[in-house]
Formats: sequence, structure tokens, C-alpha cells
Amino acid sequence: EVQLVESGGGLVQPGGSLRLSCAASGFTFSSYSMNWVRQAPGKGLEWVSYISSSSSTIYYADSVKGRFTISRDNAKNSLYLQMNSLRAEDTAVYYCARGGVLGDIDYWGQGTLVTVSS
Amino acid sequence: DIQMTQSPSSLSASVGDRVTITCRASQSISSYLNWYQQKPGKAPKLLIYAASSLQSGVPSRFSGSGSGTDFTLTISSLQPEDFATYYCQQSYRPMYTFGQGTKLEIK
Repeated sequence: EVQLVESGGGLVQPGGSLRLSCAASGFTFSSYSMNWVRQAPGKGLEWVSYISSSSSTIYYADSVKGRFTISRDNAKNSLYLQMNSLRAEDTAVYYCARGGVLGDIDYWGQGTLVTVSS
Repeated sequence: DIQMTQSPSSLSASVGDRVTITCRASQSISSYLNWYQQKPGKAPKLLIYAASSLQSGVPSRFSGSGSGTDFTLTISSLQPEDFATYYCQQSYRPMYTFGQGTKLEIK
């Protein structure tokens, strides 16, 4: 069974940093691309970042480019999102999500809440 | 950037109804269009990928069609568990943008 478990969310002040982690199991992690997708309270889904299976290709949404860094450790079956210079508008539930062959997202974690507030 | 526009934003329907949700891309995305269902407090679930391919385990009352810029998600006979919010997403070119969502409510 595919499982994606996020951790690392919490309350942080504006301008602060946070690192999200996602532990993957139930599939060959090193064979799949991965994504981070977020959802602000009461709002729709926003794609945040993509990383290919070998980390050779990385993309970011314009809203986080230069502030967020996606990475992965295939030996540890783990995905990460380093978030710096956080803003109130980054407040959201952050989902770790597995990429399908055609760019779809076929499995999602349960999400971790990040709240940026003073 | 490719913009995705869904219509309607909300929809009221009854159990047994046939429902269609539309998604339009700001430029051609071939068939790189996916549909997701999200229930309150839960993670999204993939329903349809590549415009018309049904994800494993998804009931056959869900179907997708379209290519280029115009796409539709159809639920042939609404069931109580189908009342949720539906999102389209393009995976043709990063950023992999989502539509704003369509909330399907019970009439």
C-alpha cells in the first residue's frame, strides 16, 4: 500500500523558516517523481513544486521561487521542502504527492498544516 | 503560464442526476488534463488522468473527455458519496496549475 506521511508543519513567524518532510513507503520511491501541493484554508489547490525521480529536474511555482527548495533522498525514501522567508500567504495545508507517468498526481499524503503568523 | 478555468464554480444536483463539469485551458494542453475529487478535510483523489483514462478503482460512472483547450468531467448518475469539490489540473507544462474547483452540492 502506498503511504505518504508528511511532518514538520507548525506555527512560524513571518520571515521565518520551516522544513517539511515526507516519508514514503509501499512503492519504489526512487522510480517516481514527487510534488508538493498546498491548500490555503477554505481555498483551492495550488501546485508548489516538482522533483524528478533522480532530482535532475526541478520546478517551482512563481509564488515560491527563490524562497522554497525541494529535495529528496532516495536512500531514505524521503521528500523535503525547505521553506524560507515565509509569508502570511504561505499559510496552508501542504501535501506530499506522487507523480504519475503523465504528470498526474496519483497518491497524496494526509497533509501538514503550516501557519505563518506573528 | 497556463491558466485553468472551471465552470460552474458550484452546482446543486440530486442523487441520480447526470452532471457535467467543464475545464478550459488558456492554451492547448493536448490531453494532459487530470481530474481530482476532494472531500472536506481529506486529501484529493485522482479520478481521471490524460483527459479520459479512469484511474484504477474509480467507479465507471465517472468519465472524462476533451483535448486541446476544452475538457469535461461527467458523472453519469450521482451517488451520495459524489458530493464533493472537483478540480482539474494541467500537466502539459510546469507550473502544473489547477482549476479553481467546482463544489457539487446536494439539491
